[in-house]
Amino acid sequence: GNSVTQMEGPVTLSEEAFLTINCTYTATGYPSLFWYVQYPGEGLQLLLKATKADDKGSNKGFEATYRKETTSFHLEKGSVQVSDSAVYFCALSDNSGYSTLTFGKGTMLLVSP
Amino acid sequence: DSGVTQTPKHLITATGQRVTLRCSPRSGDLSVYWYQQSLDQGLQFLIQYYNGEERAKGNILERFSAQQFPDLHSELNLSSLELGDSALYFCASSETEGFTGNTIYFGEGSWLTVV
Repeated sequence: GNSVTQMEGPVTLSEEAFLTINCTYTATGYPSLFWYVQYPGEGLQLLLKATKADDKGSNKGFEATYRKETTSFHLEKGSVQVSDSAVYFCALSDNSGYSTLTFGKGTMLLVSP
Repeated sequence: DSGVTQTPKHLITATGQRVTLRCSPRSGDLSVYWYQQSLDQGLQFLIQYYNGEERAKGNILERFSAQQFPDLHSELNLSSLELGDSALYFCASSETEGFTGNTIYFGEGSWLTVV
């Protein structure tokens, strides 16, 4: 079956540090890949997505590249802010069937001033 | 704001009771999904409806049921509630029923506490 594995958190960084959150996946076919973010007390928001190999999704300074050879979709940001503190979820949608999402367990990011 | 509206935002109820969670999808979206987020299980897909018909089923208990109405809003019914049903229940919607590149948008969730 499909699965998503994320690095365990929390990830603790100082403001302006470089961020990487690792995500690898197992899926049949050619899934679409997503990063969702959940700010404290809020729902899930789509952060970025990529639908085919070598695509790079980007938004709000975050980016992730769909690497089929390593089955990875690592999230990166060059300079984090305190306002980026949230839980980040990597997810995939199996395009061989219906577009239900399989999520990783989430990685909490804490950014201090 | 994703455009997906869920009510109620918070709900506290006793074991054995029944509750109904409501969801209005984004304008124009025909698919509605329900997810459960709990500390031990993470985010689990429950069920999907497309234009009123059930399309996919995930880890949904027999005590739970859902439906999508002609105006496309959806309700998730949870009955014979147990302490372990305490969780954040998300509704999500998308334009189509599946396949390549479909993006799913989430509401803010309904917090259910069973005491």
